[in-house]
Order: sequence, then C-alpha cells, then structure tokens
Amino acid sequence: AQSVTQLDSQVPVFEEAPVELRCNYSSSVSVYLFWYVQYPNQGLQLLLKYLSGSTLVESINGFEAEFNKSQTSFHLRKPSVHISDTAEYFCAVSAGEGGSYIPTFGRGTSLIVHP
Amino acid sequence: GAGVSQSPSNKVTEKGKDVELRCDPISGHTALYWYRQSLGQGLEFLIYFQGNSAPDKSGLPSDRFSAERTGGSVSTLTIQRTQQEDSAVYLCASSPPWVGSTDTQYFGPGTRLTVL
Repeated sequence: AQSVTQLDSQVPVFEEAPVELRCNYSSSVSVYLFWYVQYPNQGLQLLLKYLSGSTLVESINGFEAEFNKSQTSFHLRKPSVHISDTAEYFCAVSAGEGGSYIPTFGRGTSLIVHP
Repeated sequence: GAGVSQSPSNKVTEKGKDVELRCDPISGHTALYWYRQSLGQGLEFLIYFQGNSAPDKSGLPSDRFSAERTGGSVSTLTIQRTQQEDSAVYLCASSPPWVGSTDTQYFGPGTRLTVL
C-alpha cells in the first residue's frame, strides 16, 4: 500500500515570495507522482506529474517539483508566487507494477498568498 | 470539449433519506473514479470503474454506498439512509483508456452533500 503525507495544512506567504509545499510518500514499489491544484469553487486539475526520466518537472505557470527517491519526497516549489496562486494543492501517488494503480491523495495544503 | 460534469452541484437532504449523485465523464474515457472530500481530510477513494471490468469497490465505507456505471459512460453514486457524517463534497474523475498508473485524472466540480 502507498501513502502520502503533506506536512503543512496551510502555508501563508506574501506575494512575490518563494514557496515550498512539502510532500512525502511511502511505497514498496516504484511510483508515479502528481500535484493537483484546486482553485476556489473549482474542481481539481493536474499541475504537474513525474512518471520517469528527469527528476525535475515543471508546470506552465512556474511551479516545479523534484522527485527525490532517497528522501521519498516530491516537494512543490515556486520562486515567486502571485495572488492568483491561492488555492488548495494536493499531492498524489500511484504505484508501478505490483502496486495500486488507484492514486492515493494527501490531505492537501492550502496556499494563501497575501498582497 | 466538455469536461467532467456532475449533478446536482449542491444537495441538501434529511437524515435517513436516499440520494443519487450523477457523473458524466469525458467522452471516450474508460476509467471513472468517485472520491469523497471532507474538510481537512483530503480525497478519500470510494470506487473505480474501468471499462467493462468489475468495479473496484474497496473504498466504499459501508453497504449504504453503491455505484453503477451504465453503458460505460454515466455513473451514479447512491447513498442510502444518509447520515450526517456523509456530508462532504463528492468528486468524480475520469481518465483516458487505461495505460497504467500514469493516467492523469480529470475531475468534475463535485457535488456538495449536506445531511441535516
């Protein structure tokens, strides 16, 4: 079985400051990792995902996440946030062969960007 | 094209009543998931449909919960004899024809269920 831990339930930050949203996972098999974002009153949408290859993956709106196998982490970062980044962010993991293909989600981190 | 749609967007019901929640996945998507999102609890997996295969019901919390998918498309989640702890946002997601665990899920806007 796999699991996901998002250590921070809420992260307040000022506009244009850097931010890191933490995600740690556990799994006995290889994994695929996802970050989803949920803007206020909207459904979840994929932000970025790691499947294989380069451990650093980027989204079109400036977010990036790095897969760190030794630390079992997939932290999400952005060097300079905007007010419009205020949203709930969910980390998810699904497993490769031998594991559960049904994604397991973390509890979410609420990113609050202040002007 | 159209995304995943869910209806109703909001449902208020009395304890003990039955409710039906509907999900229309993206056309051509063979995988369909139901999740429950409670405040501060993240997404709780409920049930998974993949094509014509038997659904994975391992996440259903009790026998009051059931779901069906007709014609490989529309899905209905039914909660019988609702309880106050059933109050949550119910999310539906679909994925393209299965290629394994790498599928991106496309989520609907959810149905907010309130049980009084």
